[in-house]
Amino acid sequence: SQTIHQWPATLVQPVGSPLSLECTVEGTSNPNLYWYRQAAGRGLQLLFYSVGIGQISSEVPQNLSASRPQDRQFILSSKKLLLSDSGFYLCAWSVDGSTDTQYFGPGTRLTVL
Amino acid sequence: RKEVEQDPGPFNVPEGATVAFNCTYSNSASQSFFWYRQDCRKEPKLLMSVYSSGNEDGRFTAQLNRASQYISLLIRDSKLSDSATYLCVVNPPGNTPLVFGKGTRLSVIA
Repeated sequence: SQTIHQWPATLVQPVGSPLSLECTVEGTSNPNLYWYRQAAGRGLQLLFYSVGIGQISSEVPQNLSASRPQDRQFILSSKKLLLSDSGFYLCAWSVDGSTDTQYFGPGTRLTVL
Repeated sequence: RKEVEQDPGPFNVPEGATVAFNCTYSNSASQSFFWYRQDCRKEPKLLMSVYSSGNEDGRFTAQLNRASQYISLLIRDSKLSDSATYLCVVNPPGNTPLVFGKGTRLSVIA
């Protein structure tokens, strides 16, 4: 069966510090991968998605970037965090070639102080 | 019209009640639809998929009205454990990601 992992679960970072969040999927090949952010009390905002290694589509211009160095690994990064980057970061996957059902990881709760 | 629109609630209902949520979508060519459930401070989890006119799973029934471009979720015999935010999700045409509504919050009260 497929599983999706995210770490860390929680993170507190100062403004201006770098960020690296990692997501890995097991039990499937060439999944579509997604990064979302959910601000407190708000809806899901799609940040990036990837249909294959090295292929990243950005949905919202901002100080975040994403990379997919391996088939089942998706990384979200920032060189300098802003206060507005605080939120709940969720990684999700869907079956290769399909933008249908997505399955979410447990998320990383980021607080920027 | 927003891509996916939901009443944010909250819907406060007593245990055992029947409650229904509606969701409207703007792209008439959308082919598949989903309801996800999100508990407080947790990730969304798939509740139901809707590919044709509707779907039923125990106490939960989802219905699709393509002519009016809305999807509904009906919960019968509400339980305390049904308290959560319910996200309406639409799969637009083409190979583009799902579009999530902002969610409807449900509180089931003893």
